Amino acid sequence: GIQVEQSPPDLILQEGANSTLRCNFSDSVNNLQWFHQNPWGQLINLFYIPSGTKQNGRLSATTVATERYSLLYISSSQTTDSGVYFCAVQTGANNLFFGTGTRLTVIP
Amino acid sequence: KAGVTQTPRYLIKTRGQQVTLSCSPISGHRSVSWYQQTPGQGLQFLFEYFSETQRNKGNFPGRFSGRQFSNSRSEMNVSTLELGDSALYLCASSFSLAADTQYFGPGTRLTVL
Repeated sequence: GIQVEQSPPDLILQEGANSTLRCNFSDSVNNLQWFHQNPWGQLINLFYIPSGTKQNGRLSATTVATERYSLLYISSSQTTDSGVYFCAVQTGANNLFFGTGTRLTVIP
Repeated sequence: KAGVTQTPRYLIKTRGQQVTLSCSPISGHRSVSWYQQTPGQGLQFLFEYFSETQRNKGNFPGRFSGRQFSNSRSEMNVSTLELGDSALYLCASSFSLAADTQYFGPGTRLTVL
């Protein structure tokens, strides 16, 4: 099946810093989503981004489908941004293939 | 609109027992998918239901089963529980089957002793 790799696995930032999270996938995809998993385990939708660039406040995402990667940018990070970020892809059917996640810790 | 709801939120069972988890999708959504999250294996797809029919299945043993009702609510059942079934079980709903945006519930944390 398709392989989804995320980097870095762990990231520690000072509050106010910017960061870039990367997601590489091994085959063509129909869709890509970014999620933030909160401390209670719920996956919160951040972006639905099969291609192109989207922005939502301090977060933005870019997917270059032809080169099989996506980037999530977090600017002016806050402690509430801490948690695990997952990218997940769909290859035609509805089921998501998840990456292993990036654990972000933002220090005050 | 209310989000995806899952019950119960926490569950403790012993080996050999069976368990049933419930998921109510977002109103109007007809697809419900189930995922298992463990520290070792990460997030893995279990199965998907649409219009009361299983449409897609992941690579899990037959002890894991599910069903969907006419109101789109779904249940998953795990029989003969094993210690390795301890996990966070997440349910997701979407409007359609075709690579649609998935919205997740808060999960059910199952502990098998």
